[in-house]
Amino acid sequence: GAVVSQHPSWVICKSGTSVKIECRSLDFQATTMFWYRQFPKQSLMLMATSNEGSKATYEQGVEKDKFLINHASLTLSTLTVTSAHPEDSSFYICSARLEGRYNSPLHFGNGTRLTVT
Amino acid sequence: AQSVTQLGSHVSVSEGALVLLRCNYSSSVPPYLFWYVQYPNQGLQLLLKYTTGATLVKGINGFEAEFKKSETSFHLTKPSAHMSDAAEYFCAVDFRADKLIFGTGTRLQVFP
Repeated sequence: GAVVSQHPSWVICKSGTSVKIECRSLDFQATTMFWYRQFPKQSLMLMATSNEGSKATYEQGVEKDKFLINHASLTLSTLTVTSAHPEDSSFYICSARLEGRYNSPLHFGNGTRLTVT
Repeated sequence: AQSVTQLGSHVSVSEGALVLLRCNYSSSVPPYLFWYVQYPNQGLQLLLKYTTGATLVKGINGFEAEFKKSETSFHLTKPSAHMSDAAEYFCAVDFRADKLIFGTGTRLQVFP
């Protein structure tokens, strides 16, 4: 149980275009999802907390207008990288926590590798 | 300030040897503690967690960790390393703020 599906697993796009990444909780409802970014050989940096039905909470230094997050249902959150640039190339990972259990572990998607050319 | 520190970005052991990956934290409140493993180009898989109760926690794949409040540590161990244990390991802490903060990770290499 507690499977998180992330799509696509990899994407290559041209500079200036936008890319949407989907994160779905397949067998549970998640009022809260988290988006992380991971640079090569580095740790995961929390970008934002996605809340179903409300605005996302962004971490300090993360551009809200560049990384648009939408959490329209209890099983789906999307991250859109707008006007992508090569420096946005990274590994993006979403995660979700079982609803109502704030101290339960996060369940992670398999990540999306974004390459901006 | 609340923080998570993993000592040693790389650890190398021989197959069959003890694995010890270190994690220390700084917190003003009792945290929730987790260890995750990441294989190349994949997401993270939970190894084990400590929230309350017994301080020695057993996880999957033979790993275990002990929460030592006096030392603010949550080190990960495995008595006998296997080649398949080679991966990146992350200690993560929830400082009761409903978000997980990760350590910088430790890459474990296992030699035959």
